[in-house]
Amino acid sequence: RKEVEQDPGPFNVPEGATVAFNCTYSNSASQSFFWYRQDCRKEPKLLMSVYSSGNEDGRFTAQLNRASQYISLLIRDSKLSDSATYLCVVNGGGMMDSSYKLIFGSGTRLLVRP
Amino acid sequence: DVKVTQSSRYLVKRTGEKVFLECVQDMDHENMFWYRQDPGLGLRLIYFSYDVKMKEKGDIPEGYSVSREKKERFSLILESASTNQTSMYLCASSLGTGTGGEKLFFGSGTQLSVL
Repeated sequence: RKEVEQDPGPFNVPEGATVAFNCTYSNSASQSFFWYRQDCRKEPKLLMSVYSSGNEDGRFTAQLNRASQYISLLIRDSKLSDSATYLCVVNGGGMMDSSYKLIFGSGTRLLVRP
Repeated sequence: DVKVTQSSRYLVKRTGEKVFLECVQDMDHENMFWYRQDPGLGLRLIYFSYDVKMKEKGDIPEGYSVSREKKERFSLILESASTNQTSMYLCASSLGTGTGGEKLFFGSGTQLSVL
């Protein structure tokens, strides 16, 4: 089983739609959770951190469910510019050297069509 | 803004060659990382460093070594390149507060092809 699993998609949605991605992780000791965005042929960039209480940044909402070991990303009112691959990232947890280790999911591809 | 610069965007090497990938960051970050990214596998950590001259193995260190002689520079070395090392290589850095799990700043990547 992969440490961080995501549905690869693609999710193909019209502009204005609401779309949600889930990501599951296997290490219950993980403490830090993130969503990164990666455009085609570009480097990943941090989209948002995911906190226990959930957090919202404009049209984007991230939530964490520790009991079920998954995190989610909700995008409301999708824009064409939201088309990208969304990477779920979890830290290794436990000992300090593992906490530096960020484990990336293989990404969920989103296509927003006009 | 943090800038992480990788020396080459595209690189073509032959099997058996020694390959150096260079990465420089300009924000005095403590931590630096090398990942490789392959379709369907996501980013996998090769090595990381949390201090000058310190290095730690990631998940897939075999066939690679690293060097961090100066804080701003982290080099990835392929001692004898093989075709299965054809990949996109991404360097990243983070501030280093000791808590781990911090925001990563990535370079634009080096697409390495080993023929």
